[in-house]
Amino acid sequence: DGGITQSPKYLFRKEGQNVTLSCEQNLNHDAMYWYRQDPGQGLRLIYYSQIVNDFQKGDIAEGYSVSREKKESFPLTVTSAQKNPTAFYLCASISEYGTGELFFGEGSRLTVL
Amino acid sequence: GENVEQHPSTLSVQEGDSAVIKCTYSDSASNYFPWYKQELGKRPQLIIDIRSNVGEKKDQRIAVTLNKTAKHFSLHITETQPEDSAVYFCAARPGFQKLVFGTGTRLLVSP
Repeated sequence: DGGITQSPKYLFRKEGQNVTLSCEQNLNHDAMYWYRQDPGQGLRLIYYSQIVNDFQKGDIAEGYSVSREKKESFPLTVTSAQKNPTAFYLCASISEYGTGELFFGEGSRLTVL
Repeated sequence: GENVEQHPSTLSVQEGDSAVIKCTYSDSASNYFPWYKQELGKRPQLIIDIRSNVGEKKDQRIAVTLNKTAKHFSLHITETQPEDSAVYFCAARPGFQKLVFGTGTRLLVSP
């Protein structure tokens, strides 16, 4: 079954700790994205990657880092520099030659205590 | 860069009524406009989309209209049902792959 898998689904961390959220896709998609969702603020783009070993900052990249060492994987690290990390994080991917539909993972809910 | 505004932020209707959600965009280069539905605690899923060479598209009870001149597009849901209750997001794509989303509309359909 093709899709995007995010883990963990729920994560609790203490303030000041770095956290890495996993995102794996088996759709053979070239481009992958990380969005942050807060109530009333829609989906805001953190980072995106159009090809392996390359990525670009989105609108709210400060305090986050990513890597794209494999086509299938696009992990997101929430660093201690992120001032308000508690949020719902969504990973997504899109086929370069497809219909343009963005496919989302199930999301990871991070709560910083 | 592209900016997408979405209204209203919340919408309450009675079952069977129609619901309309409106979005405006700023970048005239945008050529793809999808709508996503997100049920509570779940991932957003595409429900309908429209490209800039089309003015209207329908899929059963949902339809989307696009006015390129005014830079706005709308989602229309007819004969609403309780299962239509969700958050709906519009989006616009100025480049090939980077979607810009609106802030979402919470639709509540009361039986």
